[in-house]
Amino acid sequence: GQNIDQPTEMTATEGAIVQINCTYQTSGFNGLFWYQQHAGEAPTFLSYNVLDGLEEKGRFSSFLSRSKGYSYLLLKELQMKDSASYLCAVMDSNYQLIWGAGTKLIIKP
Amino acid sequence: DVKVTQSSRYLVKRTGEKVFLECVQDMDHENMFWYRQDPGLGLRLIYFSYDVKMKEKGDIPEGYSVSREKKERFSLILESASTNQTSMYLCASRSPRGEVQPQHFGDGTRLSIL
Repeated sequence: GQNIDQPTEMTATEGAIVQINCTYQTSGFNGLFWYQQHAGEAPTFLSYNVLDGLEEKGRFSSFLSRSKGYSYLLLKELQMKDSASYLCAVMDSNYQLIWGAGTKLIIKP
Repeated sequence: DVKVTQSSRYLVKRTGEKVFLECVQDMDHENMFWYRQDPGLGLRLIYFSYDVKMKEKGDIPEGYSVSREKKERFSLILESASTNQTSMYLCASRSPRGEVQPQHFGDGTRLSIL
């Protein structure tokens, strides 16, 4: 079967760095996506990885290892507004997104 | 920027009613999707469409149908609403299948069935 695993909840301190992990087992792989979702709102696209390595976008970076079925989202210089759920999704061989359940990130002052 | 608009943010209906959720996108995207999102379960795909008049079942199509008469509009229909269909419904669109592009979401409709 297809499976995406990510931690249910994480807590971090304002100004610090946090890494949210995602492991996956899917039917084929065409890319891995990260979305941010604030409570009661729709997911918004953050980044995606197709090839192994690190993609950096300002305070956010995403890493992919296809051989290990593993990705992480790294958030630096955390701000209170970063409190949200972070969704990992893998695009399978049919170009459909398989979604993880999301990681709720709580930022404390 | 891609704009995906869902007709209602909040909706309250009664058991047995026929419910229509509308979604419109302005980017000429071929692909459109309907998901529901429940706590702890993540996004689950109900139906999707690759083009006008085309539809494909997702993972949980039972109790739902869809309509895609125009490229920009994708409607989700609850044929006879039941309380277990109370959920957040999210519409998304994306450029063609075969391209690695992100899906863009509407604001969501929080539907309550009483």
